[in-house]
Amino acid sequence: KAGVTQTPRYLIKTRGQQVTLSCSPISGHRSVSWYQQTPGQGLQFLFEYFSETQRNKGNFPGRFSGRQFSNSRSEMNVSTLELGDSALYLCASAFGGSGANVLTFGAGSRLTVL
Amino acid sequence: GESVGLHLPTLSVQEGDNSIINCAYSNSASDYFIWYKQESGKGPQFIIDIRSNMDKRQGQRVTVLLNKTVKHLSLQIAATQPGDSAVYFCARGAGNMLTFGGGTRLMVKP
Repeated sequence: KAGVTQTPRYLIKTRGQQVTLSCSPISGHRSVSWYQQTPGQGLQFLFEYFSETQRNKGNFPGRFSGRQFSNSRSEMNVSTLELGDSALYLCASAFGGSGANVLTFGAGSRLTVL
Repeated sequence: GESVGLHLPTLSVQEGDNSIINCAYSNSASDYFIWYKQESGKGPQFIIDIRSNMDKRQGQRVTVLLNKTVKHLSLQIAATQPGDSAVYFCARGAGNMLTFGGGTRLMVKP
């Protein structure tokens, strides 16, 4: 079956702009999580959505937001981009909403802020 | 606060040898622990997980050991192959929220 699909794979923005990233989870998965990966900070949790509701949020400023649609697809938005927002943004989907679930990651969207 | 840390940033092994990647954690209040492998240009790929009430779990060529007394987690890869070259991350999970360690780069020498 198809894996987690993230679009776009690469994008370049300038400071002050905003960006929207998209994630299509594995069919049947209702949980979508977002992570930011940078060389300096590693992999950091941004937020998780389950059945269109944000259940957990990491320690990121309010410029980072997300949403989940009724078909479980998710988007995340970063407004007023800063140079430090340059990163690989990873989406992961899971079937269940609690307990120990296997999170399957997409290939990521690499954002460069100039 | 909660954190997951790794002992070594880089591990170099000979093809065919066994590899051991270590990880330490600071808080045992976790549902489970997971190991992921990330190859260049790809997202993390699930390898194996272990519930917090277990000590050992085996998969195909991999074994994860959990020592809750010293808060230590390790991944053992048997007969390491060139295709095992990647960055390995340990993570602790609470529901679907993962806290990742810094990663260890495994290099396999032919």
